Amino acid sequence: QKEVEQNSGPLSVPEGAIASLNCTYSDRGSQSFFWYRQYSGKSPELIMSIYSNGDKEDGRFTAQLNKASQYVSLLIRDSQPSDSATYLCAVMGSQGNLIFGKGTKLSVKP
Amino acid sequence: GAVVSQHPSWVICKSGTSVKIECRSLDFQATTMFWYRQFPKQSLMLMATSNEGSKATYEQGVEKDKFLINHASLTLSTLTVTSAHPEDSSFYICSARDLGPTSGRRGTQYFGPGTRLLVL
Repeated sequence: QKEVEQNSGPLSVPEGAIASLNCTYSDRGSQSFFWYRQYSGKSPELIMSIYSNGDKEDGRFTAQLNKASQYVSLLIRDSQPSDSATYLCAVMGSQGNLIFGKGTKLSVKP
Repeated sequence: GAVVSQHPSWVICKSGTSVKIECRSLDFQATTMFWYRQFPKQSLMLMATSNEGSKATYEQGVEKDKFLINHASLTLSTLTVTSAHPEDSSFYICSARDLGPTSGRRGTQYFGPGTRLLVL
């Protein structure tokens, strides 16, 4: 069974620090990876997609993919209290569906 | 960016009634849409995959006769909760998969804002 694993947290970082969120997946054939942010009571919001090994940067966010290690991470630089949310790692399945991790709750303290 | 809308955002209904939720992709065509359910403090659970012009594919444990899905066009999928009961109260979220030519969005799922259902 294809699985996506995330540390549920909570991960607490001070404002201005770097938050590091990690995710591992079981299907070595997976090609497409996504990070979503979900605020309490809201639906998920896409932050980043990544398809190739290496880093992909978008503003304060950097996604990192290592297919050999089956590992995806998300770095948030200069963390702000508004970044406090649950971050969902998702891997695309063979049917185009998304397989989600349980999410990591991030708390950024002012 | 890609926008997915859902209507209504809130529904309160009596037990035994049916509720229809609409999911629309506003600026792209979506041959595939997905319906999720999320209970408080739990992760998203995929209920079904909705394919335009064909029958939906339901996940194990989801009753197809209770949760009717219709994907009548490339921009609209509906979920009808039939004979709703209090245990169906949840946050229902749809997503639509963008298969357009823009490579940065290809295959990406965009979520609607969700519909909160409360069955009394």
